[in-house]
Amino acid sequence: AQSVTQLGSHVSVSEGALVLLRCNYSSSVPPYLFWYVQYPNQGLQLLLKYTTGATLVKGINGFEAEFKKSETSFHLTKPSAHMSDAAEYFCAVTWNQGGKLIFGQGTELSVKP
Amino acid sequence: GAVVSQHPSRVICKSGTSVKIECRSLDFQATTMFWYRQFPKKSLMLMATSNEGSKATYEQGVEKDKFLINHASLTLSTLTVTSAHPEDSSFYICSAPTSGRSYNEQFFGPGTRLTVL
Repeated sequence: AQSVTQLGSHVSVSEGALVLLRCNYSSSVPPYLFWYVQYPNQGLQLLLKYTTGATLVKGINGFEAEFKKSETSFHLTKPSAHMSDAAEYFCAVTWNQGGKLIFGQGTELSVKP
Repeated sequence: GAVVSQHPSRVICKSGTSVKIECRSLDFQATTMFWYRQFPKKSLMLMATSNEGSKATYEQGVEKDKFLINHASLTLSTLTVTSAHPEDSSFYICSAPTSGRSYNEQFFGPGTRLTVL
């Protein structure tokens, strides 16, 4: 079955340090890929997405992700963490335009001062 | 970007009562909307796909008679939790895909926190 795996349910970094959140999908067919951020008691906000074209995608708040087909990965990075980045991050995929999303388990990012 | 609203944002009800949650696409039409449920510290679980003008499509394990979905118009879908019980307490989120682009990006509502006493 098609699935999405986020390695690490909780990641803690120091302010100013590199943020790396991992996402892998299981399918031989590349999907559309997304990263969402969720702050407490709020809905999901799209950080960035990969549909076609350049495999390095830049998003909001300084985040970027690279689609690596050979590794079936779409890891999220940010060069320098900020306190305001503390939140829950979800990787999601779909194989259909406008179709239902399959979410990873989520990774809680903590940022230490 | 497109805006999706949900109402109410928070609701507390007694066990045995029914609760209706609305999901609206404010500046675009959505023939399809999705309803998710999220438990604390957990990911989003797709409950059902709401289809304008036809019956909703429920995911395996979701009780159709308990979670009634009505897609009344191109901008409104409602989720009614019937005879609610404490185990139905959760965060419910809807989303709607836009159309007319290479990819129909989904936009999420802010969520509704349901607490059943």
